[in-house]
Amino acid sequence: DIQMTQSPSSLSASVGDTVTITCRASQGISNYLAWLQQKPGKAPRSLIYAASSLQSGVPSRFSGSGSGTDFTLTISSLQPEDFATYYCQQYYAYPLTFGGGTKVEIK
Amino acid sequence: EVQLLESGGGLVQRGGSLRLSCAASDFMFSYYAMGWVRQSPGKGLEWVSIISESGADTHYADSVKGRFTVSRDNSKNSLFLQMRSLRVDDTAIYYCAKGGTWSFGGNFGSWGQGTLVTVSS
Repeated sequence: DIQMTQSPSSLSASVGDTVTITCRASQGISNYLAWLQQKPGKAPRSLIYAASSLQSGVPSRFSGSGSGTDFTLTISSLQPEDFATYYCQQYYAYPLTFGGGTKVEIK
Repeated sequence: EVQLLESGGGLVQRGGSLRLSCAASDFMFSYYAMGWVRQSPGKGLEWVSIISESGADTHYADSVKGRFTVSRDNSKNSLFLQMRSLRVDDTAIYYCAKGGTWSFGGNFGSWGQGTLVTVSS
């Protein structure tokens, strides 16, 4: 199975900050990587697919990069509605696997 | 806008069965793979199962293989998850998710609101 390791597991940031979350795959997954956002009590929401493609309706302050084993999600100018938990997910091979999540909290 | 509405969750005893449904609308259901992902209370996301556009191909997580069966009815825009021999650790919110075409089936672009399954001992 492909293990997805996210770091950090949590972070504190202020509105307006730029935040970077890292996801590492245990083997190469090309660009078959998605980033998801989940707010408490809500379903996950897809933000990015194919490592760097923004889903329709997702603000441009979200961006993704990487290929192979190392990926990043960057949130520029953090907004109050961005405080949530973020997950990476690989869809290169079965079983599909998720990272452990990164909780972005208000400083 | 894609709509996915799960139903069928509830309280069941260990060893029991439950069938989840997901009603899809506002997209060409038969053109996309569909999947199930679950989340135990306070935990992260865990993929459960996926089914191809036609229903001919399926994959399962090892934790549910042999106990869960995914199926779909493209004439009714519906996805199902038959769960048998339920365990306490199957307790979770179960999300229905719209995938991509089969080559990118696990790219879950849209998610339902989830249905809670609680397995009691």
